[in-house]
Amino acid sequence: EAQVTQNPRYLITVTGKKLTVTCSQNMNHEYMSWYRQDPGLGLRQIYYSMNVEVTDKGDVPEGYKVSRKEKRNFPLILESPSPNQTSLYFCASSLLGHSYNSPLHFGNGTRLTVT
Amino acid sequence: AQSVAQPEDQVNVAEGNPLTVKCTYSVSGNPYLFWYVQYPNRGLQFLLKYITGDNLVKGSYGFEAEFNKSQTSFHLKKPSALVSDSALYFCAVRVHYGGSQGNLIFGKGTKLSVKP
Repeated sequence: EAQVTQNPRYLITVTGKKLTVTCSQNMNHEYMSWYRQDPGLGLRQIYYSMNVEVTDKGDVPEGYKVSRKEKRNFPLILESPSPNQTSLYFCASSLLGHSYNSPLHFGNGTRLTVT
Repeated sequence: AQSVAQPEDQVNVAEGNPLTVKCTYSVSGNPYLFWYVQYPNRGLQFLLKYITGDNLVKGSYGFEAEFNKSQTSFHLKKPSALVSDSALYFCAVRVHYGGSQGNLIFGKGTKLSVKP
C-alpha cells in the first residue's frame, strides 16, 4: 500500500531533550515536506526537500533540522525542544515534475508535547 | 505575496442540504488549486485539484469545486451533505517559480459540521 509513515504518533518530552520524528514514504517521491498544524494557524511549512541531499527552509524553520540522505526518508530533528514546539506535525510527499499538479500524500501525524 | 483565505472557521449544514466551503486566493502567476480533507486523528487527504480547463472540477466522495478567475475563488461544493462529511477542509494553492516546483500554501482550514 502506498503510504507515508510517521513515527511516533504521540510523543511527550521535556525541554531540551533532543528528539527525532521519522518519516518514510514508499512511493519513490522526490519531494518531501514537514508541516506543523496549530489551532487557528492552519498548516505551516517547516522544511522541504526536492530530492536527496537537497533541503530548504519553509516558513517556520527555527528550532528544527532535517536531513535527506535517502529518497524514502526525511526525519525531523528537534535538537533542543521548547514548549512552543508543542504541536501536531505532518510529513508529506509528492512526485516532482514540471506539471505542478501532483497532490501531496500525508502521514497520519505526530502529536508532540514539550513540557 | 501568495496567500489563501478561508473566510469561515466553521460551516454548519443539515444532512441532505447542499454545502459550500469558501476559498479565495492571491497569487502572481497561474494558480494550481487543491482541496484536502482531514478527518479526526488522520493526515490530510487529497480531494480534488484545478490545473487548467473546465472551471468545475469533480473530486472524491461527490465533492466538486468551481474555479472563478475573476473572483479569485475556488469554492468547494457538494449537492447533498452527509454526516460523514464532517471534517476539517483545507484549500491550498501552488505557484511555480522559474523551473522549480513551488510549495503548497494552505488556508487555515474550515470545520464542516453536518447534523442529522
